[in-house]
Amino acid sequence: DSGVTQTPKHLITATGQRVTLRCSPRSGDLSVYWYQQSLDQGLQFLIQYYNGEERAKGNILERFSAQQFPDLHSELNLSSLELGDSALYFCASSPSGRANYGYTFGSGTRLTVV
Amino acid sequence: AQTVTQSQPEMSVQEAETVTLSCTYDTSESDYYLFWYKQPPSRQMILVIRQEAYKQQNATENRFSVNFQKAAKSFSLKISDSQLGDAAMYFCAYRVQDTDKLIFGTGTRLQVFP
Repeated sequence: DSGVTQTPKHLITATGQRVTLRCSPRSGDLSVYWYQQSLDQGLQFLIQYYNGEERAKGNILERFSAQQFPDLHSELNLSSLELGDSALYFCASSPSGRANYGYTFGSGTRLTVV
Repeated sequence: AQTVTQSQPEMSVQEAETVTLSCTYDTSESDYYLFWYKQPPSRQMILVIRQEAYKQQNATENRFSVNFQKAAKSFSLKISDSQLGDAAMYFCAYRVQDTDKLIFGTGTRLQVFP
C-alpha cells in the first residue's frame, strides 16, 4: 500500500455520463496530481493542486474538472464522457509541493466508457 | 518545453543478465530531477530510482543504476542480475522545476526470459 488511496478501482459507464474519481493523498502530502494513461501509452499530466489551490494545468479537457478539499483529498470530475476517455486515471501526491523525490502514486481508477 | 524520449518500445533480457534502457530529454533548465518508474502488470507506478542533475555521481539502488550524461541529456537505466519480477513497463520522467509536474516518456516494455 503506497498510502495514496484512489476510489473506485474500476468504473464502467455509458457515453454522455458524468463520473467522479476520488483520491486521498499520503498522510502529510499537500500536493495532488492527476494523470491519464490511455491503453499502452505514457502518462499525460492533467492537473495539480497544492494545499487546496490549483497550481498547474496540463492538457485537461474542458469537460474535466478537479478540486482539492480542506482535508486535502481531491476529486476529478469527468463529464459528457466519450469512448476515448476510457483510460487509467492516476492520482499521485508529494509533500510540500516539491516533487524532488518523485511522486507516490495510487493504484489508479480504470474507467471504461461504453 | 521539456520533452522526454524513450526510443526502445520493447526490450528483452535473459534472467541474471544485464540490460540497459535508454532515455533522452530536452530542457533549458540547469537544475532538475530525473526519475525511472516501473509499472508491472498490476499497473501500480513504482519509483525505481532518482537522479539530481547537479550531482555528478550516478544514482544506484541495489541492482538498479543510472548512467547520467548531463551534456548529452541522456539518462539510461541499467538493471543488473535481471529477475523475472523485473518484467514491466519502465518510464523515464523529468521534473519540471517551476510547475513541479513530471513529464513521462512513452515507456519501454521489458521482458525477462528464464
